[in-house]
Amino acid sequence: DVKVTQSSRYLVKRTGEKVFLECVQDMDHENMFWYRQDPGLGLRLIYFSYDVKMKEKGDIPEGYSVSREKKERFSLILESASTNQTSMYLCASSFEAYGYTFGSGTRLTVV
Amino acid sequence: AQSVTQPDIHITVSEGASLELRCNYSYGATPYLFWYVQSPGQGLQLLLKYFSGDTLVQGIKGFEAEFKRSQSSFNLRKPSVHWSDAAEYFCAVGPRGGSYIPTFGRGTSLIVHP
Repeated sequence: DVKVTQSSRYLVKRTGEKVFLECVQDMDHENMFWYRQDPGLGLRLIYFSYDVKMKEKGDIPEGYSVSREKKERFSLILESASTNQTSMYLCASSFEAYGYTFGSGTRLTVV
Repeated sequence: AQSVTQPDIHITVSEGASLELRCNYSYGATPYLFWYVQSPGQGLQLLLKYFSGDTLVQGIKGFEAEFKRSQSSFNLRKPSVHWSDAAEYFCAVGPRGGSYIPTFGRGTSLIVHP
């Protein structure tokens, strides 16, 4: 069964910490994405990548960066965590337009 | 700009009753169309998708959806709802080329009464 694995289901971090959210897919997909999901705001695209070492800003990239050193791994980095980054973070991968496969999500709380 | 509207924020049905979740979109051309389901605390799972051909598409878990070009709609249906269907449902539309990045609706929360 194809999978997108997010390394942590729950994280609690302190304000100002550098936070790494890891995502690995085993489907050899070119495309990978990071979203955040907040009540009333739906899914918002943070960053995406179409290839190794390639990245594109989504709708809300401020305060975030990403890394894609290998095809299967796409990391989201919060450079200096703030309380307004408390959210559910969802990683997804896809092959062209054929729909996303999502990970189970990481619920991040910044205190 | 493309947009996706799910007019119902919440829907409550009784177990065994039929279900229809509405999705309308605004798009320059016929997009790719998707429905996803999200169980509490989980990621989203693809239920079904429409690319071309037969406008009635079958998905997993007994769901189906019908694409109606004239109404710019892609409504999700299930003939008999089970308690395990309680979840959040998202409609999404995506371009047929370019970035392939879909636009998601805000979601409809399905509540199932015993």
